[in-house]
Amino acid sequence: DVKVTQSSRYLVKRTGEKVFLECVQDMDHENMFWYRQDPGLGLRLIYFSYDVKMKEKGDIPEGYSVSREKKERFSLILESASTNQTSMYLCASMSQNTEAFFGQGTRLTVV
Amino acid sequence: RKEVEQDPGPFNVPEGATVAFNCTYSNSASQSFFWYRQDCRKEPKLLMSVYSSGNEDGRFTAQLNRASQYISLLIRDSKLSDSATYLCVVNPGFQKLVFGTGTRLLVSP
Repeated sequence: DVKVTQSSRYLVKRTGEKVFLECVQDMDHENMFWYRQDPGLGLRLIYFSYDVKMKEKGDIPEGYSVSREKKERFSLILESASTNQTSMYLCASMSQNTEAFFGQGTRLTVV
Repeated sequence: RKEVEQDPGPFNVPEGATVAFNCTYSNSASQSFFWYRQDCRKEPKLLMSVYSSGNEDGRFTAQLNRASQYISLLIRDSKLSDSATYLCVVNPGFQKLVFGTGTRLLVSP
């Protein structure tokens, strides 16, 4: 079974903190994604990566950065957390033109 | 126009009913299509892929209409456990997936 693991289920951070969300997949997938999900807005793509050290902006990259130093790991970084970044963050991985597999999500609250 | 559009619902149906969801997409070059299911406060999980010829998995049937750029999901003999949000997902190429906002289904006794 494909497994995508996110480092935390719940996080509470203070405004201005630097926040790291980690994601690891064990199926050697080329493509990895970070989404955020908010009520009424669905899943919105923040960043994605199709290879090690490669990254592409999604629809809402502002305030975020990513790192992919190894194929299995894709990190999302909030450079200076703000309250409008309170959300559910979902990591996903997929191979070419197949379905995506999701991690269990990280519910981040910024206070 | 959104890349992928769905009716948010909710669809309230009794057990045993048949219910259908539609989803439209804007990119005619889209390559693959999926329906995902998401339970409350959980991650989305693949329900089924959608093929040009249509496909069926038990009580679930998915159809793709490329000419009109929509996909559909039909659920027959609804169960209480079918209550969830159903996400339409399109791969427009470019190695990424685009999600609809989801359609909420509530099945009542």
